Amino acid sequence: DAKTTQPPSMDCAEGRAANLPCNHSTISGNEYVYWYRQIHSQGPQYIIHGLKNNETNEMASLIITEDRKSSTLILPHATLRDTAVYYCIVRPRGTTDSWGKLQFGAGTQVVVTP
Amino acid sequence: GAGVSQSPSNKVTEKGKDVELRCDPISGHTALYWYRQSLGQGLEFLIYFQGNSAPDKSGLPSDRFSAERTGGSVSTLTIQRTQQEDSAVYLCASSLAPRTGMNTEAFFGQGTRLTVV
Repeated sequence: DAKTTQPPSMDCAEGRAANLPCNHSTISGNEYVYWYRQIHSQGPQYIIHGLKNNETNEMASLIITEDRKSSTLILPHATLRDTAVYYCIVRPRGTTDSWGKLQFGAGTQVVVTP
Repeated sequence: GAGVSQSPSNKVTEKGKDVELRCDPISGHTALYWYRQSLGQGLEFLIYFQGNSAPDKSGLPSDRFSAERTGGSVSTLTIQRTQQEDSAVYLCASSLAPRTGMNTEAFFGQGTRLTVV
């Protein structure tokens, strides 16, 4: 079972910021939060990950609450090409047998409209 | 190669036949993953390799499914006696090895669309 919960869908206007929430209330201290997205008919694409500090890269920003029980992925200026299913997953650090079992939930279908 | 390569991109097979799906990971990536995605559904974990060994085979749906990886590189997912419910997109991903204190993202291929008729 996926250890995260996300809203099933979200609309966003082109050019506006998209804020995608994710709950991971059972996250443990040795687990990272990862975000991937899947554009229709393509394989998933890595976006960003973090442990407890907020992170930013060229694609997005990741805000993790202080208790680490939830996070928000921010797409600062959404474009039509950002329409995709966005997945939030937790993943253990380091060398455990479960490290490779990336558990994708249902994700959030984001539709960016003109 | 520049990315994870999967072949064939599309496969149509008759019910009861065996199929082999191939994944060529990014050079140097010792971790390799197989997933499948049925139409309109999320990603279902199948198996994970670290080098040539598979620490986690828990996702293989039945004994008709098997996977191997030789030489720490190319992997083959084999489905014997295919059934219509096996129809899905089979996705492969690879990443660097896990190291304590580090994390590495998984890079996905474009998948093999399997249709069992």
